[in-house]
Amino acid sequence: DGGITQSPKYLFRKEGQNVTLSCEQNLNHDAMYWYRQDPGQGLRLIYYSQIVNDFQKGDIAEGYSVSREKKESFPLTVTSAQKNPTAFYLCASSIMASGPNEQFFGPGTRLTVL
Amino acid sequence: KQEVTQIPAALSVPEGENLVLNCSFTDSAIYNLQWFRQDPGKGLTSLLLIQSSQREQTSGRLNASLDKSSGRSTLYIAASQPGDSATYLCAAAGGTSYGKLTFGQGTILTVHP
Repeated sequence: DGGITQSPKYLFRKEGQNVTLSCEQNLNHDAMYWYRQDPGQGLRLIYYSQIVNDFQKGDIAEGYSVSREKKESFPLTVTSAQKNPTAFYLCASSIMASGPNEQFFGPGTRLTVL
Repeated sequence: KQEVTQIPAALSVPEGENLVLNCSFTDSAIYNLQWFRQDPGKGLTSLLLIQSSQREQTSGRLNASLDKSSGRSTLYIAASQPGDSATYLCAAAGGTSYGKLTFGQGTILTVHP
C-alpha cells in the first residue's frame, strides 16, 4: 500500500527535552510538509521540503528543526526552544512543491508536554 | 497574506438532508482549493481538489464549486448520512513557488439518525 506513515502515534515529552517525530512516504513524492494543528484551529505550516537536502521555513518554524537526507523521509525535531509544543502534528507530501498538486496527509502524531 | 474562513463553525442536520459548507478566501491568486475530511484524532483525507481554472468537481455525493472572483468555494453533500459526521476543512494553495496550503478552521458536521 502506498501512503504516508507517522510515528509514534502518541509522544510525551518532559520540559527541556528534544523529541523527533518520524514521517515516511512511499509515494515517490518530491515535496514533503510538516503542519501543526491546535484545538479549534486550522493547520499551520512549520517546514516544507521541495527536494532532498533542501528545506524551507514555514509560518511557525521557531523551535523546530528538520532534515531531508532521503526522498522518503522528513523527520521533525521539536526542540526545547519551542515554548508550547503540545499539539497534533501532521506530515504531508505532494508530487511536486510547485504548481497545483494535491497534498496527502499521514495519520498524525499527538505530542504532549508533561 | 491569504486568509481562509469557513462558515458555519458547526452544523447539525438530520440524516438524508442536503447541505452546503462554505469557504471564503481573501486572495484570489490561488493554484487550487482542496477540501479535506478529518475524523477525531485522525489525519486528513483529501475529498476534492479544484484547480484554479475549474469551476467544480464531483465525487459521489460530494460536489465542490469554486468562484475565484468572489473568493468562495462551497462543498455540497447530498443525502447526508451519519457516517459523514466529521470535521471538514478547506485549504487554498497560494500562487507562490511552492504549494503552501492556507487552511480554514473547519466546519464540524454532525449527521444524526
